[in-house]
Amino acid sequence: GDSVTQMEGPVTLSEEAFLTINCTYTATGYPSLFWYVQYPGEGLQLLLKATKADDKGSNKGFEATYRKETTSFHLEKGSVQVSDSAVYFCASLSGNTPLVFGKGTRLSVIA
Amino acid sequence: DARVTQTPRHKVTEMGQEVTMRCQPILGHNTVFWYRQTMMQGLELLAYFRNRAPLDDSGMPKDRFSAEMPDATLATLKIQPSEPRDSAVYFCASGSGQRGEQFFGPGTRLTVL
Repeated sequence: GDSVTQMEGPVTLSEEAFLTINCTYTATGYPSLFWYVQYPGEGLQLLLKATKADDKGSNKGFEATYRKETTSFHLEKGSVQVSDSAVYFCASLSGNTPLVFGKGTRLSVIA
Repeated sequence: DARVTQTPRHKVTEMGQEVTMRCQPILGHNTVFWYRQTMMQGLELLAYFRNRAPLDDSGMPKDRFSAEMPDATLATLKIQPSEPRDSAVYFCASGSGQRGEQFFGPGTRLTVL
């Protein structure tokens, strides 16, 4: 079945630093790819998604590009804020099965 | 603003007691998921339903856990008897069709003493 591997955390950055969280997937075929974010004390919420190769998902200054050649969907943000501190989950979806989530990466942004 | 609701938000109970967690999916969503989140194991899929029918509950300990959807507006997850190792945050999520996006509830934080 599908699997998702994302970089281990925690990641600690200073405000306005550049963020990259790596995510790679294995799947038969071409899954849809997602980034979810979980703020403290809350459930996961969709941050962005891409449904086919070379698509770029973007939201709230975050971006991720679906790279079929490298089976990757890395999350980036040019200038992080303290309010971006959260746990970020990469996920893939193939066919009619549930989302497959990575283990999550905790991001802490310090002022 | 449609959202998934879960009750209770917090539950503290003693080992051996029955625990029931409830979820109201977003109206019109036909797929409901139950997840468990712990520091050690991360996010685990316990069970999911489509059109109220259970499709997969292989992630759930069958001897003590049960999940049901009595109607389209209510999903329940029961643990009987509860054990300290069941302490976790339990999330319900709902979705529709194959678009993939799942909408998560705020979770039930369960502590079994």
